Amino acid sequence: DIQMTQSPASLSASLEEIVTITCQASQDIGNYLSWYQQKPGKSPQLLIHSATSLADGVPSRFSGSRSGTQYSLKINRLQVEDTGIYYCLQHYSAPYTFGAGTKLELK
Amino acid sequence: EVQLVESGGGLVQPGRSLKLSCLASGFTFSNYGMNWIRQAPGKGLEWVASISSSSSYIYYADTVKGRFTISRDNAKNTLYLQMTSLRSEDTALYYCARHGAKDYWGQGVMVTVSS
Repeated sequence: DIQMTQSPASLSASLEEIVTITCQASQDIGNYLSWYQQKPGKSPQLLIHSATSLADGVPSRFSGSRSGTQYSLKINRLQVEDTGIYYCLQHYSAPYTFGAGTKLELK
Repeated sequence: EVQLVESGGGLVQPGRSLKLSCLASGFTFSNYGMNWIRQAPGKGLEWVASISSSSSYIYYADTVKGRFTISRDNAKNTLYLQMTSLRSEDTALYYCARHGAKDYWGQGVMVTVSS
């Protein structure tokens, strides 16, 4: 099974700061990687699909990148509404796996 | 507008069974693979099962394999999750979801396994 190691587990950042969250895959997953944001009491919302493609309606301050089996979600100029929990998901090979999540708070 | 509406959750005793449904609308259901994902209270997301558009390919998480069965009725635009031999650790909010560049989730249905 493919393991997704997500870091950090929690993050406190200031407004307008640049934030980066990473997921390390235990093996090659190609670009079969998505990033989600979840707010309390809500269903997850897709931010990035195919490792680097911005989902419809998502602000351009969000971006995804890949370096080998390491995937990153970058938030430029952090805004208040960006707080929440972020998850990566690999859907290259079943069983599909989510990262453990990163809780992002404002400092 | 795409909608996914889960139903069938509730309180169930350990060892018993429960069947969840997810009614899809706003898209051609028979063209898409579908998924169940769950989230235990205060915990992260856990992928549970996936089924291809024609039910040819079905996959399960190791934690539910042999106990849960995913199925679909394309004529009724409905996805199912039959859960048997339920355990306390199956207590979670269960989401149905359509993944992809256009990604949709239901609001979730709560399953509580407790005596």
